[in-house]
Amino acid sequence: DSGVTQTPKHLITATGQRVTLRCSPRSGDLSVYWYQQSLDQGLQFLIQYYNGEERAKGNILERFSAQQFPDLHSELNLSSLELGDSALYFCASSDRQGLSTDTQYFGPGTRLTVL
Amino acid sequence: AQKVTQAQTEISVVEKEDVTLDCVYETRDTTYYLFWYKQPPSGELVFLIRRNSFDEQNEISGRYSWNFQKSTSSFNFTITASQVVDSAVYFCALSEVGSGNTPLVFGKGTRLSVIA
Repeated sequence: DSGVTQTPKHLITATGQRVTLRCSPRSGDLSVYWYQQSLDQGLQFLIQYYNGEERAKGNILERFSAQQFPDLHSELNLSSLELGDSALYFCASSDRQGLSTDTQYFGPGTRLTVL
Repeated sequence: AQKVTQAQTEISVVEKEDVTLDCVYETRDTTYYLFWYKQPPSGELVFLIRRNSFDEQNEISGRYSWNFQKSTSSFNFTITASQVVDSAVYFCALSEVGSGNTPLVFGKGTRLSVIA
């Protein structure tokens, strides 16, 4: 158990809908990262927050957004969902200075299925 | 741009065999970090090791060992006396220091199946 929690574990929804994925980092970690894992694209970095502020942005679609709250938990919002958004979404957290060279500890993931 | 190649897509071994998972990386940076993660069938990503580019000493942790060779840009992972519980997808990843806070880049992963 990494100490990173993600809810829900599974999510099934329809095209065009909007969903919110939630992540709580390890106690004391200030940085949260979001990744998408799909069969064709592999593990892709989406976005990083450090102590409430956006730190780095990857291949995140405009339909997707995220935020980190004062209690350091983070939410990833996915809207206007398409079939291709079906994937496993991971959250990771790290301590230190929120650099990508820090060790990232991953949550169990949320499996999103868009029908 | 940074890149990680795991040429072995799938490997199958019989229990108690030794197995090496290859990882080759590309970077223009002189300072970088390499990682290995394990993804068992249950789906979570488990951190195994983090190594910086200035530390070329091989590392051993129980049945796991890592061989870092800067000359060939490789960071290979060996499991000795494999067990069924080692069956998982293993990812190698790279992060550079000099280019700013560039994201962690993962290889495509190697699926290891250990057969009893």
